[in-house]
Amino acid sequence: GAVVSQHPSWVICKSGTSVKIECRSLDFQATTMFWYRQFPKQSLMLMATSNEGSKATYEQGVEKDKFLINHASLTLSTLTVTSAHPEDSSFYICSAREGVAVRVGTQYFGPGTRLTVL
Amino acid sequence: AQSVTQLGSHVSVSEGALVLLRCNYSSSVPPYLFWYVQYPNQGLQLLLKYTSAATLVKGINGFEAEFKKSETSFHLTKPSAHMSDAAEYFCAVSANFGNEKLTFGTGTRLTIIP
Repeated sequence: GAVVSQHPSWVICKSGTSVKIECRSLDFQATTMFWYRQFPKQSLMLMATSNEGSKATYEQGVEKDKFLINHASLTLSTLTVTSAHPEDSSFYICSAREGVAVRVGTQYFGPGTRLTVL
Repeated sequence: AQSVTQLGSHVSVSEGALVLLRCNYSSSVPPYLFWYVQYPNQGLQLLLKYTSAATLVKGINGFEAEFKKSETSFHLTKPSAHMSDAAEYFCAVSANFGNEKLTFGTGTRLTIIP
């Protein structure tokens, strides 16, 4: 149980276009989802926290108008990179926190999406 | 605020030898501590977590970690390394379960020597 999927796993796009990445919790309801960015050979940096039905909370330095996050349901959150540029190329990973009390506190991570902007 | 420091960005051990990956934390409140493993081009998998219960925490794949408050440490160990343990390992800290923001260390790449 507690599986999180991401789609697509890999995407290449042209500079100036927008890309949407989906994060789904497959077998549990995720009241909170998190979006991370990971540069090559570096750690994960939290970009934003999204709660179902409310606006996402962005970390300092993350452009909310560039990285649009929508948590429309308890099983789906999306990250849209708008007007992508080569510097947005990165590995984007989502995680979901289960709302069931017995396992509260554990984040389950998706497999990641590698974005390459040409 | 919370932070973690992982000592050693690269660790190499022989197959069958002890694995020791170091993590020290800083936290203004009692911390919750985690170890995650990441295989190439994949997301993170939880190895184990400390949530203020037993100080010695056993996880998956034979890993365990001990919370030592006096040393502000949460080192990860495994008695006998396997080739399949080669991966990137991240230590992480959060303040509490109500606010699940994880702060990650910079990671330690574990290489297993045949």
